[in-house]
Amino acid sequence: SQTIHQWPATLVQPVGSPLSLECTVEGTSNPNLYWYRQAAGRGLQLLFYSVGIGQISSEVPQNLSASRPQDRQFILSSKKLLLSDSGFYLCAWNHNNSPLHFGNGTRLTVT
Amino acid sequence: DAKTTQPTSMDCAEGRAANLPCNHSTISGNEYVYWYRQIHSQGPQYIIHGLKNNETNEMASLIITEDRKSSTLILPHATLRDTAVYYCIVRVVTSGTYKYIFGTGTRLKVLA
Repeated sequence: SQTIHQWPATLVQPVGSPLSLECTVEGTSNPNLYWYRQAAGRGLQLLFYSVGIGQISSEVPQNLSASRPQDRQFILSSKKLLLSDSGFYLCAWNHNNSPLHFGNGTRLTVT
Repeated sequence: DAKTTQPTSMDCAEGRAANLPCNHSTISGNEYVYWYRQIHSQGPQYIIHGLKNNETNEMASLIITEDRKSSTLILPHATLRDTAVYYCIVRVVTSGTYKYIFGTGTRLKVLA
């Protein structure tokens, strides 16, 4: 069966520090991969999606970037975090015509 | 921008049916309606989806109006564990890729 892993589960980082969040999917190949962010008390905002290795589409201009170095690995990064980057970051995967499956998320607090 | 609108919150008595409405008046002919729910501090969980016909699975039923401009998610016998935020989503096709645009959802509280 397919599983999706995100880590770390929680993270506290100072303003101006770099960020790297990792997401991996097991048990499937060539998935579509997504990064969402959820600010406190808000809905989910789509940040990036990828349909294949090295193929990244960005939904909103921001301080973040995404990369997909391997088929089942999706990384969210920042060179210098801002306070406004705080939130709950969720990775998800699917194949076309199948529902999205979410990981358990990373709660990032920028101080 | 989300293509759906939902009430901000709803209450439901335990054991009763919970009916969660969603408006998607700008939906296109090939766009599916999906429902997810999110329990606090967890990733959203898939519930059900549909295109035109009503759908039912072990979790819920989805009723889509004939004009497809609105739908209702029905939890037939709500339990305390169904307390969550419920998201109605229209799956959009862009450049050959499916995108799921979430709104702010409905916060359902099941009362004992």
